[in-house]
Amino acid sequence: QVQLQESGPGLVKPSETLSLTCTVSGGSMKTYFWSWIRQAPGKGLEWIGYVDYSGNTNYNPSLASRVTISLDTSKNQFFLNLTSVTVADSAVYYCARDHSGFSSDYFDFWGQGALVSVSS
Amino acid sequence: DVQMTQSPTYLSASVGDRVTITCRASQSIYTYLNWYQQRPGKAPKLLIYAASSLQSGVPSRFSGSGSGTEFTLTISSLQPEDFATYYCQQSFNTLWTFGQGTKVEIK
Repeated sequence: QVQLQESGPGLVKPSETLSLTCTVSGGSMKTYFWSWIRQAPGKGLEWIGYVDYSGNTNYNPSLASRVTISLDTSKNQFFLNLTSVTVADSAVYYCARDHSGFSSDYFDFWGQGALVSVSS
Repeated sequence: DVQMTQSPTYLSASVGDRVTITCRASQSIYTYLNWYQQRPGKAPKLLIYAASSLQSGVPSRFSGSGSGTEFTLTISSLQPEDFATYYCQQSFNTLWTFGQGTKVEIK
């Protein structure tokens, strides 16, 4: 069974960089996309972006100027960096496996989520 | 962007009820539509992909239908563990977007 686990600081200061790691276990990172999704308190889901096994990325245009997603296949990990954060970036951040298929792309495995608060 | 609009936003129902949630896309997305369930404090869980395919391990009381711009998620007989928030998500273009969610509450 594939499992994903987010890790990283739970508190980030305004204007600084939010950095999270997602560790994948129980399966290969090959042939899948690996996404970050966030959810502000009491709000809906916002897709941030993905990285594929080759390191190619695709970002939500609303965040693209501040986001970098990368991966280290030797460690079965992928990463999120979000620069110049504000209080509006406070959210639960989820990592998820993006199953890319002919019929649809869908998120079939998710991490438990990491709560990140932006505050001075 | 493809905008996804769910209705209703809130739904009050009883155990055993048949429940239907609608998701509309701002343009045709063919069948590139997925449904997720999110219980409080938990990560979303995939229920339906490609509009009507049931994810492995999901109870058969969940079903999905539709194509183009209008889609439905149906729960044939609501169970206590089904009280949660449900989200649709489109994967037609490479900017994945979600609906705003439908919260199913106990009547």
